[in-house]
Amino acid sequence: DVKVTQSSRYLVKRTGEKVFLECVQDMDHENMFWYRQDPGLGLRLIYFSYDVKMKEKGDIPEGYSVSREKKERFSLILESASTNQTSMYLCASTPSLGTGGTDTQYFGPGTRLTVL
Amino acid sequence: AQSVAQPEDQVNVAEGNPLTVKCTYSVSGNPYLFWYVQYPNRGLQFLLKYITGDNLVKGSYGFEAEFNKSQTSFHLKKPSALVSDSALYFCAVRDGVRTTDSWGKLQFGAGTQVVVTP
Repeated sequence: DVKVTQSSRYLVKRTGEKVFLECVQDMDHENMFWYRQDPGLGLRLIYFSYDVKMKEKGDIPEGYSVSREKKERFSLILESASTNQTSMYLCASTPSLGTGGTDTQYFGPGTRLTVL
Repeated sequence: AQSVAQPEDQVNVAEGNPLTVKCTYSVSGNPYLFWYVQYPNRGLQFLLKYITGDNLVKGSYGFEAEFNKSQTSFHLKKPSALVSDSALYFCAVRDGVRTTDSWGKLQFGAGTQVVVTP
C-alpha cells in the first residue's frame, strides 16, 4: 500500500514564525502536491513537484514556498506565518504520467495548522 | 481550464435508503473523473475513477458512479447507505489531454457533507 506521511497532525504557531510542513511518500512517486483545505472551498493546490528539485506554482502559491531535495520528501514552507494561513494542509503523491500513472492521488492524513 | 461543481453542501439520508452525491464538470478534452472521501480529521481516500470505458464505475465500499457525457456529470451513488458512510465527499477532474502544464493536477469540487441517520 502507498503510504504518505506528514510530520505533524496538529501544529500551533505564532504570526511571523517560519513554519515547515514535511511530507514523505514511500512509493517512489515522481509527482507530489501540497493542498490547503478550507470549508466551502474544497482543496486548493498550493504547489506541486514533478521531479527532484523541480517545483511549479499551483493556484494559491502566495505566502508559501516548497523544497524537494529528495524524491520521497516534499516540504511546504510558510516564510512568515499569518492568521489567514490557518487551515488543513494535505500532501499527496502520484506516479508519473509517463509511467502509465492514471492520476490517482494518494493523500497523507493532513496537518491542521493554527496561526495565532 | 477545468472546473468541478458539487451543487449540494450537504446531503441527508436515512440508513438503508439510496444515496446520491452530485457532481458536474467542465474540461476542454476528455475528462478523467475521481471521487474521494474524507472521514473526520483524516486525509482523503480514493473511492473510484473514470478514465475510459464503461460509463458505470464501481468502487470501494459499495459505491458506484455514472459518467454522463451529455450532461457532463459524474454522480456518486450507493444503493443502501450506512451510518458509517457519513463523511465529506469530493469530486475531482482533470483534462485527459496531457500537457506539460497539467502534470496530473486535479481540480477538486468544494465537497459535499453526507449525513446518514440511523
